Amino acid sequence: GDSVTQTEGLVTLTEGLPVMLNCTYQTIYSNPFLFWYVQHLNESPRLLLKSFTDNKRTEHQGFHATLHKSSSSFHLQKSSAQLSDSALYYCALTGGLSGKLTFGEGTQVTVIS
Amino acid sequence: DAGVTQTPRHEVAEKGQTIILKCEPVSGHNDLFWYRQTKIQGLELLSYFRSKSLMEDGGAFKDRFKAEMLNSSFSTLKIQPTEPKDSAVYLCASSLDRGNTEVFFGKGTRLTVV
Repeated sequence: GDSVTQTEGLVTLTEGLPVMLNCTYQTIYSNPFLFWYVQHLNESPRLLLKSFTDNKRTEHQGFHATLHKSSSSFHLQKSSAQLSDSALYYCALTGGLSGKLTFGEGTQVTVIS
Repeated sequence: DAGVTQTPRHEVAEKGQTIILKCEPVSGHNDLFWYRQTKIQGLELLSYFRSKSLMEDGGAFKDRFKAEMLNSSFSTLKIQPTEPKDSAVYLCASSLDRGNTEVFFGKGTRLTVV
C-alpha cells in the first residue's frame, strides 16, 4: 500500500531562521497528489498546500514545496520561521481514484524567540 | 456553508461501555472519513465512505469499532466495548469525491476511557 515518511519527529528552531521538513513517499500510482496539512494546538488539521505537478513549486502563506517524482519527495520549506508557525505538520498523499489520505507520522515544529 | 460538525466534543466513558460519536459532513461532499489521532500513532484511518458505501475500514479497528453512514449527511462511529487504550481524539473529515481536493476536518471528539 501507499506510505509517507517524515523523518523528523520534533523540530525546534529560532524565529527568523529557515525551516525544511522532509517528506518522502511510496505509491503504486504514477500520478499521486501530495499535500501538507498543518494542525495548530487545539485545532483540527487544515490544508496548507498541495501539488500533483512534477517539478513545479507550489506556495501558500510563505511556505513552499516542490513535488519531485524522481526522488518521491515533497519537502516543505519556509525561508524565515515565525512564532505562529509552531504547529504539527503532516505530509499526505492520495492516489488513483481514492480520496483517502495516507498520512505521514507528523513533524512537531516549535519556533522560539 | 457549515464545516464538518462533530458531537460530542468531549466524552468520558467507563471501560466496557458503548459510546457513539456523531458526524455531519460538509453538504455536498461524497467522501467521509473517520480518523483516530494520538501523539504516538498520529492519524490512523478507521473508516472511509464514498457516497455512503464503505470503501475501507482500518483492519486493526474492525473488532470493536463500527462506522455507519445511513444517509449522506450523517455518520456515526460506535466503539463497543470501550477500553482505556481507546482514549484519543476522533476526527471526522469529508471531501468531494476526487483525490486532489481538500479534506475538511471536524473539531474532533476527545474520548477518555477510565
